[in-house]
Amino acid sequence: EPEVTQTPSHQVTQMGQEVILRCVPISNHLYFYWYRQILGQKVEFLVSFYNNEISEKSEIFDDQFSVERPDGSNFTLKIRSTKLEDSAMYFCASSEMANSNQPQHFGDGTRLSIL
Amino acid sequence: SQKIEQNSEALNIQEGKTATLTCNYTNYSPAYLQWYRQDPGRGPVFLLLIRENEKEKRKERLKVTFDTTLKQSLFHITASQPADSATYLCALVPFTYKYIFGTGTRLKVLA
Repeated sequence: EPEVTQTPSHQVTQMGQEVILRCVPISNHLYFYWYRQILGQKVEFLVSFYNNEISEKSEIFDDQFSVERPDGSNFTLKIRSTKLEDSAMYFCASSEMANSNQPQHFGDGTRLSIL
Repeated sequence: SQKIEQNSEALNIQEGKTATLTCNYTNYSPAYLQWYRQDPGRGPVFLLLIRENEKEKRKERLKVTFDTTLKQSLFHITASQPADSATYLCALVPFTYKYIFGTGTRLKVLA
């Protein structure tokens, strides 16, 4: 069964440094998402992306964050100047359509640790 | 603002019993509600979806109900097994691209 893959599985970065998290969505999916989950808390929506544009973003997704689909397979999340509070699991997800009756397929996440 | 609450942080039940998990929402009238399973250190995995005009949906040992009057969904696992131990998340989807997840209920099935 096709799956969403994320790399790296764990990223340790000094505060203030830039970090790029990478995702390969399922190949025939058109809609892509990033979520964040702080340890012990709920999964929080960050951003959705379709047709090379951001469709929607949450208040968490401020100017420090950006997303890109640099080629036909990768989908990346960049944090420009990391803060301690950015430490969390970051999940990428994809879906065939954006309808609310579509399940999202999640990767297993990147654990981001900011020192 | 839209809010989703799931019952109790942890639920322990004996193997073979039926587990019932609750998802309540406010300030919102979703057309669909989804349930996911999340294991420690893994991403959520889609289980079931129910539409607002469906009262009940089943898949193998899983059953979901949706009461738009009570603004509540119930998720049942019948004949529960230790392998069912996980965190279960409900998710609402407004008519946009943004999914809103509940806090999750941690289920532990005791052998």
